[in-house]
Amino acid sequence: DGGITQSPKYLFRKEGQNVTLSCEQNLNHDAMYWYRQDPGQGLRLIYYSQIVNDFQKGDIAEGYSVSREKKESFPLTVTSAQKNPTAFYLCASSRTELNTDTQYFGPGTRLTVL
Amino acid sequence: AQSVAQPEDQVNVAEGNPLTVKCTYSVSGNPYLFWYVQYPNRGLQFLLKYITGDNLVKGSYGFEAEFNKSQTSFHLKKPSALVSDSALYFCAVRVRSGNTGKLIFGQGTTLQVKP
Repeated sequence: DGGITQSPKYLFRKEGQNVTLSCEQNLNHDAMYWYRQDPGQGLRLIYYSQIVNDFQKGDIAEGYSVSREKKESFPLTVTSAQKNPTAFYLCASSRTELNTDTQYFGPGTRLTVL
Repeated sequence: AQSVAQPEDQVNVAEGNPLTVKCTYSVSGNPYLFWYVQYPNRGLQFLLKYITGDNLVKGSYGFEAEFNKSQTSFHLKKPSALVSDSALYFCAVRVRSGNTGKLIFGQGTTLQVKP
């Protein structure tokens, strides 16, 4: 997990609230990613960013938003429009967006909707 | 469609015995394959990857994986399992999607090593 931090580790949200998950990296990586993990499933891509001030939707972007104002930071907001937000959220980064580059993951944030 | 399959939900092995965690893939173009391990309530840790070259790839913690193009497989192996190897293992392939290389993951295999 070294080099990528996520906070908080656990997050509880009431229905109808927006919450923001933090992701910071000190690896000087250009590309950053957000994945969602549900029990018994692999990870699914929510959003990704290749460079500052640019980001793209992944496979399950509905109900989520992101920003990339700094190279080191890629926060994810889970909005009230996300119908089933309870999940484990993982942030990742790689040196570039090329297929040969390894994605490294943060420790994750577990979000629970009450 | 590009995909990764891990046919076993769980693999059980005795400590000291060799272990294999299976992975098959379906991609167009060159496959870039990765193995990650996840301990409970933790992020994914990178173990190894195949990009090109030697079909036997060595990685962290004594793990290795064999790329087999004809069988479209990338099985993870270790000669002698440890109890501490017990965890959830993910195989993934990195493919082009839009203008990025995204990871497509298998559903994961739980490895249980018993003393």
